[in-house]
Order: sequence, then structure tokens, then C-alpha cells
Amino acid sequence: DGGITQSPKYLFRKEGQNVTLSCEQNLNHDAMYWYRQDPGQGLRLIYYSQIVNDFQKGDIAEGYSVSREKKESFPLTVTSAQKNPTAFYLCASSVDLIQGSSYNSPLHFGNGTRLTVT
Amino acid sequence: SQQGEEDPQALSIQEGENATMNCSYKTSINNLQWYRQNSGRGLVHLILIRSNEREKHSGRLRVTLDTSKKSSSLLITASRAADTASYFCATGHSGGSNYKLTFGKGTLLTVNP
Repeated sequence: DGGITQSPKYLFRKEGQNVTLSCEQNLNHDAMYWYRQDPGQGLRLIYYSQIVNDFQKGDIAEGYSVSREKKESFPLTVTSAQKNPTAFYLCASSVDLIQGSSYNSPLHFGNGTRLTVT
Repeated sequence: SQQGEEDPQALSIQEGENATMNCSYKTSINNLQWYRQNSGRGLVHLILIRSNEREKHSGRLRVTLDTSKKSSSLLITASRAADTASYFCATGHSGGSNYKLTFGKGTLLTVNP
């Protein structure tokens, strides 16, 4: 079955430590995304990538970093510079961002990683 | 800033009743999408409606789009307890070569058996 795998499901870290969240997809999608979800605030876009070796900042990129070395993988690092890192993080993918009718492609989501920093 | 805003924030109904959720947005869009999220899980895509479409159906789901009022509605007919979830609208809009999908805060639907 094709899909998106996020791991781990739960992650606990001490303040001041960097932590990397994994996201792997086998849907052969070009575009991948990271969203953050906080209670009552919906989803906010952190970073997105349209193709391998390229990524763009979203609305709340400060304190986060990403890489896209392979089409299947889009890991997110939450750095110690992120002031409020505790949240539910969702990875998603879509066929393509740019080309014509692909503006209308839906997102496929993983089941999320809940990060708690104390 | 958030583009789509769902209304109501929470909705509680009995099994078998219909549930209607609304979404309003502020700027022009390419498409509007509805997603469902069960507690603690990822979002699942339900329906996408393009800006030149007015209505779409998928099983027990019916989505309407009124671009003149900048609003959309999601109707779930003959609801079931398994429909209990949060429902989000997301508006897709492009500017130049950039495309952005912006999510609302969601409607929490509870279907009581």
C-alpha cells in the first residue's frame, strides 16, 4: 500500500536539544510538506519542497530546518531556537505543486508525530 | 493569516441526522478542499472543488461552493457515529509561480449513537 510514514508517533525531548522527525513516502509524489498543528489553531505550514534538493519556507519556518536529498524523504529538524516546539507535526505530500492542473491535487498526510519538549 | 474559517467550531448531532459545516474565505481561490481528521491522526482528503464548480458529491458528502459569497459548505447526510471527527476546509490559491494551501481551524463534529 502506498502512503506516508511518520516516525516516531511520540517524541520527548529536553529543552535545548535538537530533534529530527522522519517522513517517508512511497507515493512517488514530487511535493512534500511539513505542518504544525496546535489546539484551536488549525494547520500552519512550516516548510515545503517541490523537487529534490529544493525547499521553501512556509509561514512559520523560524527554528526549523529541512532537507530533501531523496524524493521519498523529507525530514524535519526542530532546533533549540524554536521557542514553542511542543506540538503535533504532520507531514504531507502531493503529486506536484507547479504544473497546470496539479494546482488541484489533494494532500496525502501521515499520521503525525506528537513532540513534547520539557 | 488564515484564509478559511469554519463555522460552527463544534457541532453535536444524533446518528441519522444531517450535518452541515460552513467555510468562509477572503481572497480568490483556485480550489477549496475538505479534509477529515480523527483524533490524534493525520488528515484525510474528502473532496476537492474547483473555483469554476458549484457542487460536488461523493457518497454521503455534498460540497457546494459560492465564489460570489466566498463560502463553501460540507453536508454529511445520514450521519453515523464513525463520522465523529474534525473537519477542515483548505483553500488553494496561487500567486505567480507560488501555490499555497491554507487550512482553517476546523469544525469538531460529534455524532451521538
